[in-house]
Amino acid sequence: QLQLQESGPGLVKPSETLALTCTVSGASLNGTYSTGGWVRQSPGKGLEWIANIDYIGHMYYNPSLQSRVTISADTSKNLFSLTMHSVTAADTAMYYCARRPFSIGAFDIWGRGTMVTVSS
Amino acid sequence: DIQMTQSPSSLSASVGDRVTITCRASRNINIYLNWYQHKSGQAPKLLIYNAFTLQPGVPGRFSGSGSGTEFTLTISRLQPEDFATYSCQQTYNTPENFGQGTRLDIK
Repeated sequence: QLQLQESGPGLVKPSETLALTCTVSGASLNGTYSTGGWVRQSPGKGLEWIANIDYIGHMYYNPSLQSRVTISADTSKNLFSLTMHSVTAADTAMYYCARRPFSIGAFDIWGRGTMVTVSS
Repeated sequence: DIQMTQSPSSLSASVGDRVTITCRASRNINIYLNWYQHKSGQAPKLLIYNAFTLQPGVPGRFSGSGSGTEFTLTISRLQPEDFATYSCQQTYNTPENFGQGTRLDIK
């Protein structure tokens, strides 16, 4: 069964760049014609969609974050990544990666999340 | 952007109760509405997609309805494991916004 596992630095300083990776195991995203996505939840707030990358490599971004984020995929390593520049305390959140299969318009498999704290 | 508004923001209920959570979209999203259950320290879990289709493995006490701008999630007979936060998400277009969440507590 397909599983996702996020990895990240845990702590990032303000103005620095955050790099997150989602490692896919059990199957490949492009082999299952799936989309990979990133979602975050800041303390005390709801879920916020960040970006998606589909199996063709098309990228979709939340306009509120688009100027600072890049989503990418490495099909040879079966992973996808998120880079966020110029982070601030407002980017402190639990970051989740998730999979959307071609057949449904929803994230059916999620990672357990990785907590990122932005602090000096 | 399409804004998603859930009501209520929080809800207290007892085991065995029937509860309904509402999600409203700021404009027509057809049936492109998903519901997730979220517990602290765990990955969110997909319950319902495309407004009313139950994700395999999800108990039948969960159901979804609606189309256009108004949607509901109903839990017919609350079980102890159902106390969690529930969020809706539209995937009609980007950004694929979520509602702010509804926290369901034990009364």
